Amino acid sequence: GAGVSQSPSNKVTEKGKDVELRCDPISGHTALYWYRQSLGQGLEFLIYFQGNSAPDKSGLPSDRFSAERTGGSVSTLTIQRTQQEDSAVYLCASSLRGQNIQYFGAGTRLSVL
Amino acid sequence: EDQVTQSPEALRLQEGESSSLNCSYTVSGLRGLFWYRQDPGKGPEFLFTLYSAGEEKEKERLKATLTKKESFLHITAPKPEDSATYLCAVQAGSGYALNFGKGTSLLVTP
Repeated sequence: GAGVSQSPSNKVTEKGKDVELRCDPISGHTALYWYRQSLGQGLEFLIYFQGNSAPDKSGLPSDRFSAERTGGSVSTLTIQRTQQEDSAVYLCASSLRGQNIQYFGAGTRLSVL
Repeated sequence: EDQVTQSPEALRLQEGESSSLNCSYTVSGLRGLFWYRQDPGKGPEFLFTLYSAGEEKEKERLKATLTKKESFLHITAPKPEDSATYLCAVQAGSGYALNFGKGTSLLVTP
């Protein structure tokens, strides 16, 4: 079946604008994760969803970052008032409930000018 | 605080020249250690999960091993198509997040 789908693949925005990044997990996967990969840094965890609930938001770097998930499927990561340090690749992953292997999408490359 | 350190940062091999990548970790309550491969412009691709010291897994030219302090990814007779960044990650405690190392960038030349 189809893998994890993320859109857009690239996003260029101006400092101060809001952006929305979308993730479509593998069908049937109840767990969904967002990570951020900055140049020279490893992948950093942002938030974890189980169904529509987010029991772990510990990685969100500031209150400008938020995420939601609807229908136990699609998730949207929103960054408000973007800053240049938000420039990174945002990766989404999903997994089956009770299974810890996470399957990743190709990511959204965000550039804040 | 959980820590994952990968070495070397970069590795250049001749085709057929076997080597190993290292992932050392300090975590409380390891639940799993993961190896992923990442090609430029793509997301990480799952390779292996290891759960307990002494465990080994193989796939084609790759073999992953685990001790209580580190994991090795052995690459036997590599080919140019094995060129990629190899990422190590751990899952620990009661959380579901993966804690990643910074990766090893492998280049295999013909």
